[in-house]
Amino acid sequence: KAGVTQTPRYLIKTRGQQVTLSCSPISGHRSVSWYQQTPGQGLQFLFEYFSETQRNKGNFPGRFSGRQFSNSRSEMNVSTLELGDSALYLCASSAGPGTGATNEKLFFGSGTQLSVL
Amino acid sequence: AQTVTQSQPEMSVQEAETVTLSCTYDTSESNYYLFWYKQPPSRQMILVIRQEAYKQQNATENRFSVNFQKAAKSFSLKISDSQLGDTAMYFCAFEWGHNDMRFGAGTRLTVKP
Repeated sequence: KAGVTQTPRYLIKTRGQQVTLSCSPISGHRSVSWYQQTPGQGLQFLFEYFSETQRNKGNFPGRFSGRQFSNSRSEMNVSTLELGDSALYLCASSAGPGTGATNEKLFFGSGTQLSVL
Repeated sequence: AQTVTQSQPEMSVQEAETVTLSCTYDTSESNYYLFWYKQPPSRQMILVIRQEAYKQQNATENRFSVNFQKAAKSFSLKISDSQLGDTAMYFCAFEWGHNDMRFGAGTRLTVKP
């Protein structure tokens, strides 16, 4: 079974631009979560989607948004990029409730490294 | 607020020896999960071990085991027979719902030959 796939692996943008990151969960997984990892703030929760609905959101400004499609693939968008948005963005998937899975382990992708110049 | 504290920024251990990584957390929740994740240079977060708070028995996974002290809100990871491939950043994490996981700052573990 293929793991969580994130594209692209690396991205360079300039301030003020916007960016879209993509995440394909493990087949059969319906929950997708996004995390931001920086040397200063560590790993921080951005949001979680299940069945195309955002169920939970971390403490990030509205410039950070996401969505989930009917095939469970998810995208994350950051508008009006700032230098401080430079980070590794990690996506994780899990089976989600009501799927019959008793184990809610999160499986992470390798991340997208975003550099804002 | 849920917080996770890892007080050891860096640790090292000789190959084949045992090392313990510390983690404490703060929460008012009664039902939650605790995790240890490993992040090697490849950057992918790999689940090492998972503990349900309602289970008193400490989780074990081969060479990895935890010492879960719920009253003390402590969740340490013991790695036995350390191997070179165990060299990585280790993150303790807490989750109580909807995959909103709170991570500690991490401990960089180096296994020396």
